[in-house]
Amino acid sequence: QKEVEQNSGPLSVPEGAIASLNCTYSDRGSQSFFWYRQYSGKSPELIMSIYSNGDKEDGRFTAQLNKASQYVSLLIRDSQPSDSATYLCAVNSGGSNYKLTFGKGTLLTVNP
Amino acid sequence: DGGITQSPKYLFRKEGQNVTLSCEQNLNHDAMYWYRQDPGQGLRLIYYSQIVNDFQKGDIAEGYSVSREKKESFPLTVTSAQKNPTAFYLCASSTPGGANYGYTFGSGTRLTVV
Repeated sequence: QKEVEQNSGPLSVPEGAIASLNCTYSDRGSQSFFWYRQYSGKSPELIMSIYSNGDKEDGRFTAQLNKASQYVSLLIRDSQPSDSATYLCAVNSGGSNYKLTFGKGTLLTVNP
Repeated sequence: DGGITQSPKYLFRKEGQNVTLSCEQNLNHDAMYWYRQDPGQGLRLIYYSQIVNDFQKGDIAEGYSVSREKKESFPLTVTSAQKNPTAFYLCASSTPGGANYGYTFGSGTRLTVV
């Protein structure tokens, strides 16, 4: 069983700070990596995708990938209270072009 | 606007009863998926379908059944064999090679056993 591991949190940061969310995965064959944001009681929303080693920036969000270390992270700069949510890491799994394996998510709380 | 519609939003099931959750998409996506989410847990794959009239079991298929008679529709039946069905059920769809591009999710159905 391919696994995706995340710290469950909660991770608490003050407004305006950088929030750092981490994820490790076990399948060395994984090629596609995603971060979803899920507000309480709602469905997940795709916020970032990354496919190559290095950094990818989109507004206040930066995804970082290190395939050698099997590690992917999400940085949120200038955190806002509206960023308070659970962040799910997802990885394509088992050599499949269709299946994503999700971590259990990290609960982020941004305090005003 | 294109999207995925799940219904109902809330569903209550009595012991021993089968219930069907609806999922419809107008994104012209070939692949569709059903996930289950329990409190504090990640998403676990129940079934997925890459094309019409074909579907595969996911990691927790026991007690569930699906059909894919139309590209737009992928209903999930929770049977009486599923002993712990209370959960948040999420339907998703993707383009071919969907795991390469991520999924689009519906708004979910919250199922409760009463």
